[in-house]
Amino acid sequence: DTEVTQTPKHLVMGMTNKKSLKCEQHMGHRAMYWYKQKAKKPPELMFVYSYEKLSINESVPSRFSPECPNSSLLNLHLHALQPEDSALYLCASSQDQQPWGGYTFGSGTRLTVV
Amino acid sequence: RKEVEQDPGPFNVPEGATVAFNCTYSNSASQSFFWYRQDCRKEPKLLMSVYSSGNEDGRFTAQLNRASQYISLLIRDSKLSDSATYLCVVNYNTGGFKTIFGAGTRLFVKA
Repeated sequence: DTEVTQTPKHLVMGMTNKKSLKCEQHMGHRAMYWYKQKAKKPPELMFVYSYEKLSINESVPSRFSPECPNSSLLNLHLHALQPEDSALYLCASSQDQQPWGGYTFGSGTRLTVV
Repeated sequence: RKEVEQDPGPFNVPEGATVAFNCTYSNSASQSFFWYRQDCRKEPKLLMSVYSSGNEDGRFTAQLNRASQYISLLIRDSKLSDSATYLCVVNYNTGGFKTIFGAGTRLFVKA
């Protein structure tokens, strides 16, 4: 299994809603990442989990809350988002936190905040 | 100066053409290098790692020039299906590991 699976593929939420994005990988990778990508821009790193512990938080607003329940799963909890948070949210994994072999990305969740 | 710079394009080429992209990086301690391909509204997919000795995968050739701090991607015999954005990615580890994405180069291959 060489995939990273993300759900849902699309999400529309109001600014007062709470929702969660989910990511799963079964490649035995020990590092997992959340990236945000706006149209025609490169991905921007949000969070890194290494061996199920949060190792990097790139000064992301607290309305985004990551969680790593186990080595295969990564969640991103969303609360009180703003319209400017609308973007493609990508989950990625790598063998360890120094991805010398590159990342495997999931297909992303396209989020629209209304 | 950006840490990783790419010509945004777009590059418009006919089928069968050879096209080359360059990517420059500013941190001389950079240690690993990749090209990713991203189709419209899809996720980035790893195309190739880039090694100092240069490497080839079918119609694709990647080169690294450490002295001049750039990497390149050459696509021979372009296909319509090569139309995508090509992202250059650089990793370095100085006081903490960092991955830097270039802004991407758009390629359109026309029939």
